[in-house]
Amino acid sequence: KQEVTQIPAALSVPEGENLVLNCSFTDSAIYNLQWFRQDPGKGLTSLLLIQSSQREQTSGRLNASLDKSSGRSTLYIAASQPGDSATYLCAVSRRGATNKLIFGTGTLLAVQP
Amino acid sequence: DVKVTQSSRYLVKRTGEKVFLECVQDMDHENMFWYRQDPGLGLRLIYFSYDVKMKEKGDIPEGYSVSREKKERFSLILESASTNQTSMYLCASSIGGVIHNYGYTFGSGTRLTVV
Repeated sequence: KQEVTQIPAALSVPEGENLVLNCSFTDSAIYNLQWFRQDPGKGLTSLLLIQSSQREQTSGRLNASLDKSSGRSTLYIAASQPGDSATYLCAVSRRGATNKLIFGTGTLLAVQP
Repeated sequence: DVKVTQSSRYLVKRTGEKVFLECVQDMDHENMFWYRQDPGLGLRLIYFSYDVKMKEKGDIPEGYSVSREKKERFSLILESASTNQTSMYLCASSIGGVIHNYGYTFGSGTRLTVV
């Protein structure tokens, strides 16, 4: 059974710092991995999608990497801002499961001004 | 701007009521999903649909049913609401097919409280 873990559960950093969020998964047979952002009481916003054949994706100050063999992904946020404060979720799409995503429980990020 | 729209942001219902949560997407996506999100448990899949009138159970289907009569609309039904169904409900959609997975688009969520 696929399990997705995100560590740490919460992180607080000063504004301007570069940071890394971690995601690990137990079954490397995935189609892709997706990073989401969730603001309090809101839905999920897709940040980056990495296909299983890719090693990384970039969007602005965000860079996501994928190492399928070790079951790990990282989300790198450069020059963090208070507006980056949110919960960050990773999710994997497992092979043979008709497009279903398995989510981690998220990392709550607070960027202090 | 393409989107997934959930009809209600907040709902308060009484125990035993039949509750309908509606979700509409304008992206012509084949797949639609209903998740619930609870503190400490993360997102859990209730039901999904990969075509009109087609549905499959997710990980926690008990107490729920779904309806997909049109491609753009996916309804979640709580047959007899109970207090343990108080939760945030999230709808999502994606392009169909197993190989070409372009990722999910989520709605803004419905916070349901059952009293």
